[in-house]
Amino acid sequence: DVKVTQSSRYLVKRTGEKVFLECVQDMDHENMFWYRQDPGLGLRLIYFSYDVKMKEKGDIPEGYSVSREKKERFSLILESASTNQTSMYLCASSSRRPGANEKLFFGSGTQLSVL
Amino acid sequence: GENVEQHPSTLSVQEGDSAVIKCTYSDSASNYFPWYKQELGKRPQLIIDIRSNVGEKKDQRIAVTLNKTAKHFSLHITETQPEDSAVYFCAASRGGSQGNLIFGKGTKLSVKP
Repeated sequence: DVKVTQSSRYLVKRTGEKVFLECVQDMDHENMFWYRQDPGLGLRLIYFSYDVKMKEKGDIPEGYSVSREKKERFSLILESASTNQTSMYLCASSSRRPGANEKLFFGSGTQLSVL
Repeated sequence: GENVEQHPSTLSVQEGDSAVIKCTYSDSASNYFPWYKQELGKRPQLIIDIRSNVGEKKDQRIAVTLNKTAKHFSLHITETQPEDSAVYFCAASRGGSQGNLIFGKGTKLSVKP
C-alpha cells in the first residue's frame, strides 16, 4: 500500500521562524502536492511538483516555498512563519503513469501552530 | 479563477436514509471528478471518481452522477450507516493538468442511529 509520510503530526513555532515540513512517499510517484486545510475552506493547493527540481505555484503560494531535490521527497518551507499560517498541512502524491487513475494519496497531516 | 462550489456544508440524516451532496464547477476543461471522504482525525481518501465521458458510476451504496452541460456532479449515498459520518469533498481537475485538483469546501455528513 502507498505510504505518504509527513515528518511531524504536531508542530508549534514562533512568529518569524523558518519552518520546514517534510513529506516522503514510497511509491515512486511523479506528482507531489502540498495542501492547506482550514475549517470551512476545504483543501487549498499551495504548491505542486511533477518532477524532481520542478515546482509550480498553486492557489495560495504567498509566504511559502518548496523544494524537491529527490523524487520521493517534497518539502514545504515557511520562510518567516506568521500566525495566519496556523493550519493543517496535507501532503499528497499521485502517479503519472499511463493507466494511473490520478488518485491522490494523502499523508496524515501536520497541524502547525504559529504563536 | 476556477472554482468548485459544494452544497450543503452540513447534512444530517437518519440511519438508512439517503444522502445527496452536490457540486458545481467552472472550468470547462475539467474532465475528472473525484470524491474524497475524511473521517475525524484521519487523512482524506478517495471513495469514487468519474470521468467526463461517463454520466454515472456506482460502487455498492455510493454513486456519482455528472451533468457536463450544466457543469455539476453529485454524490449519492443510499442506506446510510453511522460509519458514513465524515466530511466529504468533491473535486474537479484543473484543465489538462493531471492530478491538479480544485476541491470544494466540504460537506459534514452526520448519520444518526
